[in-house]
Amino acid sequence: DAGVTQSPTHLIKTRGQQVTLRCSPKSGHDTVSWYQQALGQGPQFIFQYYEEEERQRGNFPDRFSGHQFPNYSSELNVNALLLGDSALYLCASSFWRGAVEDTQYFGPGTRLTVL
Amino acid sequence: QQPVQSPQAVILREGEDAVINCSSSKALYSVHWYRQKHGEAPVFLMILLKGGEQKGHEKISASFNEKKQQSSLYLTASQLSYSGTYFCGTANQGGKLIFGQGTELSVKP
Repeated sequence: DAGVTQSPTHLIKTRGQQVTLRCSPKSGHDTVSWYQQALGQGPQFIFQYYEEEERQRGNFPDRFSGHQFPNYSSELNVNALLLGDSALYLCASSFWRGAVEDTQYFGPGTRLTVL
Repeated sequence: QQPVQSPQAVILREGEDAVINCSSSKALYSVHWYRQKHGEAPVFLMILLKGGEQKGHEKISASFNEKKQQSSLYLTASQLSYSGTYFCGTANQGGKLIFGQGTELSVKP
């Protein structure tokens, strides 16, 4: 049973560029959430996709956008990259029940470095 | 609002016990515990739901005190493999997880 997969593993960009990160959820899961984890910090919620729509969003600017495809996989796009966007980007998948006990399983992450 | 974890870091010898606390100023409905090793993804340990339920996973267990808005993670007879950063997360309906700042646990031989 394949777990959550993410690509690429590492990415180096320069300020002002745009980046797209990809995530495939665990088999049987239909919901994808994205998190940003800065060094030494806990993951911070960016947004969540279910039924190809953004369902919830954290305190991130509009430069961060996403998409979910009919096969439940998802993309995270970041425009006009800033140095402060350098972080580990984690994707987590779950099966939607709309409940506080929905358990999320994380992928290995994409390490983004902005120079 | 971000839950607060304590302590921030703890060093143990193999076989020793530890407790990690997670407190929130807002009403808690569920607490999710994860462990993250350096350079790896957070791994789900367990979820605690409102009701003071205690759960166990290997030699790791947790409790949830809704009156105190607090959850505690208990690690007994620690092993080297328990080393890592432990995060608690609180969830709203639909699973938006807000994580604490983490507790770094080091188990030495």
